[in-house]
Amino acid sequence: AQSVTQLDSHVSVSEGTPVLLRCNYSSSYSPSLFWYVQHPNKGLQLLLKYTSAATLVKGINGFEAEFKKSETSFHLTKPSAHMSDAAEYFCVVSESSGGYNKLIFGAGTRLAVHP
Amino acid sequence: EPEVTQTPSHQVTQMGQEVILRCVPISNHLYFYWYRQILGQKVEFLVSFYNNEISEKSEIFDDQFSVERPDGSNFTLKIRSTKLEDSAMYFCASGRTGSSYNEQFFGPGTRLTVL
Repeated sequence: AQSVTQLDSHVSVSEGTPVLLRCNYSSSYSPSLFWYVQHPNKGLQLLLKYTSAATLVKGINGFEAEFKKSETSFHLTKPSAHMSDAAEYFCVVSESSGGYNKLIFGAGTRLAVHP
Repeated sequence: EPEVTQTPSHQVTQMGQEVILRCVPISNHLYFYWYRQILGQKVEFLVSFYNNEISEKSEIFDDQFSVERPDGSNFTLKIRSTKLEDSAMYFCASGRTGSSYNEQFFGPGTRLTVL
């Protein structure tokens, strides 16, 4: 079975400083990996996805993530945090069986951005 | 931009009562899902639905749960006799295909409180 581990439950940064949210995955084959973001009282929004093409994936709002097979990692980064980035971030792996896929979520990382 | 909608946003019910949570997936999507998140815990897969039948369900999805697509636009989750432990945020999602390469689009969620 596939799984993801988000290494930090809370991350706090100052506005304008870099963001690093860490994720490690466990998979017996090449996974499809996603980062979703959830702002308060909003649904889960896709930030970016990795599906075995380029290992450096760019997403919305300046976020990107790098797939590193040797480290089984898919960390999310952003060069400069903005106040509007404060939200909960989920690293997700897709598990496919019989043509249907289900998403396996990490526990989430809550990002706080201070002025 | 099309989006998944869910109603109600918050449902309060007494233990033992039946509840129906409603979702309107994106109109050209064919795969539908329910997930739930108990407060402080991970988002968990409940069930996937395609071609008017369940394609996969988790062990959480016991006989108390059922899903239906009654009219070609709505997708519902019914809990026949609610328990205290059913209190959670329930997310509906839809996808164009069942491929693990394709993302799922999530609704804003229904917060279910069982008293």
